[in-house]
Amino acid sequence: RKEVEQDPGPFNVPEGATVAFNCTYSNSASQSFFWYRQDCRKEPKLLMSVYSSGNEDGRFTAQLNRASQYISLLIRDSKLSDSATYLCVVNRVDSSYKLIFGSGTRLLVRP
Amino acid sequence: DAGITQSPRHKVTETGTPVTLRCHQTENHRYMYWYRQDPGHGLRLIHYSYGVKDTDKGEVSDGYSVSRSKTEDFLLTLESATSSQTSVYFCAISESKLAGGLREQYFGPGTRLTVT
Repeated sequence: RKEVEQDPGPFNVPEGATVAFNCTYSNSASQSFFWYRQDCRKEPKLLMSVYSSGNEDGRFTAQLNRASQYISLLIRDSKLSDSATYLCVVNRVDSSYKLIFGSGTRLLVRP
Repeated sequence: DAGITQSPRHKVTETGTPVTLRCHQTENHRYMYWYRQDPGHGLRLIHYSYGVKDTDKGEVSDGYSVSRSKTEDFLLTLESATSSQTSVYFCAISESKLAGGLREQYFGPGTRLTVT
């Protein structure tokens, strides 16, 4: 089993739709969680950190469920510019210097 | 955007030649990382550094070496390039960790390396 698992997609949604991605992680001791966005042929960019109480940044909401070991990302009112690959990221517990990246979920927002 | 540059941005080289990629940061961050990204594998850690002259291996370190003689520079060397090392290479930086967790990483623009 991979340490961080994501549905690769693609999720194909119309503009204005609400879309949600889930990500599961294997190590219950993980403490740091992030969502990154990666555009085609570009570097990953931090979208948001994920806090235990859940957090929101504009149209984006992140949730953490420690009991079930998953994190989620909700995007409301999708824009064409949201089309990208979304990477779920968790810290590696055996060394706090390292992060583990999921393979990503691809989102396509159509007009 | 974090001040991270990578050079070169693109390189084509022949099998068996040595190649050095450079990562330069202006953020004075302690931690620096080298990843490679390939289709179907996502980002995989090659080597990382937790301070000047302090480096350690990641999950795919065979065939690669690194050096960090200054806080701002982290070099990745392919000692004898092979076709399997054709990839996109990303450098990342991070500040000192929070108690009980790890700060986010910021990435450079990447280097596209082709080994023929």
